Amino acid sequence: GAGVSQSPRYKVAKRGQDVALRCDPISGHVSLFWYQQALGQGPEFLTYFQNEAQLDKSGLPSDRFFAERPEGSVSTLKIQRTQQEDSAVYLCASSLPPTRGDEKLFFGSGTQLSVL
Amino acid sequence: AQSVAQPEDQVNVAEGNPLTVKCTYSVSGNPYLFWYVQYPNRGLQFLLKYITGDNLVKGSYGFEAEFNKSQTSFHLKKPSALVSDSALYFCAVRVMNSGGYQKVTFGIGTKLQVIP
Repeated sequence: GAGVSQSPRYKVAKRGQDVALRCDPISGHVSLFWYQQALGQGPEFLTYFQNEAQLDKSGLPSDRFFAERPEGSVSTLKIQRTQQEDSAVYLCASSLPPTRGDEKLFFGSGTQLSVL
Repeated sequence: AQSVAQPEDQVNVAEGNPLTVKCTYSVSGNPYLFWYVQYPNRGLQFLLKYITGDNLVKGSYGFEAEFNKSQTSFHLKKPSALVSDSALYFCAVRVMNSGGYQKVTFGIGTKLQVIP
C-alpha cells in the first residue's frame, strides 16, 4: 500500500473486553513500532519488531498487552481485559531496514481506543 | 536511558515572524535526532533529521534545525511562519546498538500556533 494502514480507526470497548488492533506496514519495511499516545502527550514506546522478531517489548505496560508479527508484515496489538487507563491512541510506525538507524518512521493514522 | 525534553507546551508566533521550537536530548552514544509534525486527526509526519555532518539541517516545508552538541539541543526553526504551520511538533531521538536493536523516544510535543 501507499502508507501504513491501521484498523479500526476508532474502537470503543467495555471495561474487561479484549481488543485487537491491526497494523499493515509499508511493503518492504522491516522495522515496525507500536506507540501509545495519551491525550496531550507524546507517543510512548510500546514494542519493536524487526521482521517477525520482537526485539524489544519493554514498553508494554502490563502482561495484558501482547503484540505479534508472525510473518514479518502485518502486526496485531492485543489488549486483554481492557481498563479505562488503556484509553489512548495507538500508533503504528514502520521503517526500512535499520542499516544506520537514521531511517525515518512512517506512521499510520492510529487507532483511538476508548474504554468505558 | 535516552530522553527528550521539549520545555514549551505551546509556542505562539505571528505569521511572517521567525519561529523556534526547542528540544534538548539525553543519550549515550551517537544520537540520531528527528523532528515530526502532527496535524489534527493525522499521523505523525517526518520533517527532518540529523545524523552527522553539518549542524544545520534542512527539511520539509522550509523548516530547519540546528544541532548543538555542547548544549545537547536540536531546536526547530523557520525563518517565516505560516498559518498552515500550526500543528503539534515532536522531537525524537533514536539510538542503535550493535545488535540492530533500535529505540525511538519522543518528547511530549509542542503546540505551535501561528497567528494571522
